[in-house]
Amino acid sequence: DTAVSQTPKYLVTQMGNDKSIKCEQNLGHDTMYWYKQDSKKFLKIMFSYNNKELIINETVPNRFSPKSPDKAHLNLHINSLELGDSAVYFCASSHDSHTGELFFGEGSRLTVL
Amino acid sequence: GNSVTQMEGPVTLSEEAFLTINCTYTATGYPSLFWYVQYPGEGLQLLLKATKADDKGSNKGFEATYRKETTSFHLEKGSVQVSDSAVYFCALVYNQGGKLIFGQGTELSVKP
Repeated sequence: DTAVSQTPKYLVTQMGNDKSIKCEQNLGHDTMYWYKQDSKKFLKIMFSYNNKELIINETVPNRFSPKSPDKAHLNLHINSLELGDSAVYFCASSHDSHTGELFFGEGSRLTVL
Repeated sequence: GNSVTQMEGPVTLSEEAFLTINCTYTATGYPSLFWYVQYPGEGLQLLLKATKADDKGSNKGFEATYRKETTSFHLEKGSVQVSDSAVYFCALVYNQGGKLIFGQGTELSVKP
């Protein structure tokens, strides 16, 4: 039973399209995150939600919009995709917003052509 | 600001060799420190952690000691295996801050 699951695992799309990545956790955690990993493996936090409330919003273009319908789900919608958006996007969750013990999904590899 | 710096990879070792991956941090106050591991094609997994000075985290034969005087948290393993080949990330978080800050990752490749 996967703890943090993301879909889709792979996504190939054209520039200018809009796409979404979904994430669900069944760990009963209060906090969820989106991280972006570039081709050099560098990880950068994008957003964090605690009990459906946005608590971390890093310098991310407005084209990226997270949505948390409930505390078990955090989806990422991306408008007007650009080549530079190509990356692996990781969803993660944690018991609360103060711990560094995160549980990561397997990642969603986005390729923009 | 707060940051984490790791040694550059890739690190290539033979099986049963001793491993050290250096990690130093810059932070005000007293962060908690972590090592995460990312196996090929997978997400990150917590490997070990330490929450205060002189704490030693350990798991699966890996160890790291929180050294406040040198602001370091170096990862060590006495005898690596091929299955340890992965990317290793050092990270810190403040208990009050909640934002986990990662180093740039160090790729380890272990040859038989």
